[in-house]
Amino acid sequence: QLQLQESGPGLVKPSETLSLTCAVSGASISSGPYYWGWIRQPPGKGLEWFGSTHYSGNTYYNPSLKTQFTISVDTSKNQLSLRLSSVTAADTAVYYCARHLDNRQRGFDYWGQGTLVTVSS
Amino acid sequence: QSALTQPASVSGSPGQSITISCTGTSSDVGGYNFVSWYRQHPGKAPKLIIYDVSSRPSGVSNRFSGSKSTNTASLTISGLQAEDEADYYCSSYTSTSTVVFGGGTKLTVL
Repeated sequence: QLQLQESGPGLVKPSETLSLTCAVSGASISSGPYYWGWIRQPPGKGLEWFGSTHYSGNTYYNPSLKTQFTISVDTSKNQLSLRLSSVTAADTAVYYCARHLDNRQRGFDYWGQGTLVTVSS
Repeated sequence: QSALTQPASVSGSPGQSITISCTGTSSDVGGYNFVSWYRQHPGKAPKLIIYDVSSRPSGVSNRFSGSKSTNTASLTISGLQAEDEADYYCSSYTSTSTVVFGGGTKLTVL
């Protein structure tokens, strides 16, 4: 059974860099046509897509986000990462990783349980 | 990209049917049959309940159905149950190769 598990620092200070990882178990991140994405949800608000990546390096980003960020895949660790630079209070959210169905145009069928990140001094 | 438009809230009594709309543009909902719907209970991760406008993942009740007309997608839940009380989100693929979500709809089962 495919499982995704996000991990992060929990608390980050404004202007610092936030690094999150998503460990994938039950399947290889480097097999098949699957794209893997990051989505966040500020407290009490809706879902916001960051971007989706394939192990080949093909990555699609949300150009509307004001936050500077990068998404990457580490096939040796079977995990994906999200890195946000110069975070502000607006980046406080639950961050989810998820897998697209067999086509990046389609929905996300597997989700992690999410990790809460609070940006505060 | 602008978020898809969903009603903030809907409600219904047990056994009734409700429909949640999701309005976009010809560059997203109207342009592709890649609309998905998710259910999210408080404190939990979203769960996929409809993909490709009207397909149900294995294990999802047939009380959930999806449809689309021009730029508006719809999720219908029939035979409303207490466990259906949750937040519902739609999403769509877009012409700029991105994914956009709706603002979410809170379903209250009276």
